[in-house]
Amino acid sequence: DAGITQSPRHKVTETGTPVTLRCHQTENHRYMYWYRQDPGHGLRLIHYSYGVKDTDKGEVSDGYSVSRSKTEDFLLTLESATSSQTSVYFCAISGTQQQETQYFGPGTRLLVL
Amino acid sequence: KQEVTQIPAALSVPEGENLVLNCSFTDSAIYNLQWFRQDPGKGLTSLLLIQSSQREQTSGRLNASLDKSSGRSTLYIAASQPGDSATYLCAPPKGGATNKLIFGTGTLLAVQP
Repeated sequence: DAGITQSPRHKVTETGTPVTLRCHQTENHRYMYWYRQDPGHGLRLIHYSYGVKDTDKGEVSDGYSVSRSKTEDFLLTLESATSSQTSVYFCAISGTQQQETQYFGPGTRLLVL
Repeated sequence: KQEVTQIPAALSVPEGENLVLNCSFTDSAIYNLQWFRQDPGKGLTSLLLIQSSQREQTSGRLNASLDKSSGRSTLYIAASQPGDSATYLCAPPKGGATNKLIFGTGTLLAVQP
């Protein structure tokens, strides 16, 4: 398995509070991604990074921000959580070339009350 | 806009059967396509990445084909086993040379012993 960890694995928070999810990799891969998975929608890309300090938006980026200050860490922040952001969040990584296989982390279950 | 459809949505077969999972996509300007499996409550596991130049890719009992011109990919599973029970997801890129994957909602496979 690719060396990807996500923290926390489970979180319950209240509407309006900030939340930060962390993805950590030990593979030294260039690309990192944040997805959310919801019933009926499948997985959707939120943001991705193609290098340190280099990020781009995905399909559903509104309400989310990301940061990558080191190759191994990619942070996803919900500035003011809403109930519609209740979801399972997955981090993924891929190698140095474009369009290589993506490897996924175990996921974070977030419940916003 | 890339849209992905997976048929059937659910499938139940007896152990030992060969089966085919179908994926169709609307934007054929892709360089590759990935197939994943997801076990309940888990992250995604990469099964196969098939390049547009390959037409077919094999890994053990799995064989994936890709026909860009018709916007279709199939995943063939030979001699199915109960351990194959999972959700299978197809993911072409958004279109062109990009790492942004678009996921189908998957086929839920149950292999009965």
